[in-house]
Amino acid sequence: DIVMTQTPLSSPVTLGQPASISCRSSQGLVHSDGNTYLSWLQQRPGQPPRLLIYKISNRFSGVPDRFSGSGAGTDFTLKISSVEAEDVGVYYCMQATQSPYSFGQGTKLEIK
Amino acid sequence: EVQLVESGGGLVKPGESLRLSCAASGFTFSRAWMSWVRQAPGKGLEWVGRIKSKTDGETIDYAAPVKGRFTISRDDSRNTLYLQMSSLKTEDTGVYYCTTPGNVVPWGQGTLVTVSS
Repeated sequence: DIVMTQTPLSSPVTLGQPASISCRSSQGLVHSDGNTYLSWLQQRPGQPPRLLIYKISNRFSGVPDRFSGSGAGTDFTLKISSVEAEDVGVYYCMQATQSPYSFGQGTKLEIK
Repeated sequence: EVQLVESGGGLVKPGESLRLSCAASGFTFSRAWMSWVRQAPGKGLEWVGRIKSKTDGETIDYAAPVKGRFTISRDDSRNTLYLQMSSLKTEDTGVYYCTTPGNVVPWGQGTLVTVSS
């Protein structure tokens, strides 16, 4: 099974400053179809998960361009260029390349 | 509109059964590999299982904690995904979401399942 490890688990950030979350997989995530099914989700307090990024670096419709995803192989990163108050919540990476699919533990983003 | 709408949650006693539904719209459901994911209160996200498309053999995989108790199925004529849950345990309590990670589809609101005596 693929284990997804996120760091940090908590990230206090000053408004307007950048933030970065790392996600490492225990195995490579390239699917046999050539795609890498690594996505990032945001969960605001009391809300369902929201798709931010799919296939490593593609922003979902309506997601602000301050969010960006990157990476390859087993190392992936979500970056927020300038944190806003509405970005508070928990962020998860998810791999859907190999069954059983798996999630990172979640990173709680909070404002300093 | 591209969306997934879960329903069927509720309060049940340990050992009882429940069937969840997920209505899909706005994308080609019959080609999509669909998954169920759950979230226990105050916890992270946990994958429950996945069903492939009919053209890919409709293979079904389950997470270890639910294997043998949960059954995933689909009705492509109704664009609907199902999760039949039996022998429910208190630890199955949580919000259940359907999703399709291989497609660009937003997550739904989920449906709450509470297993309690």
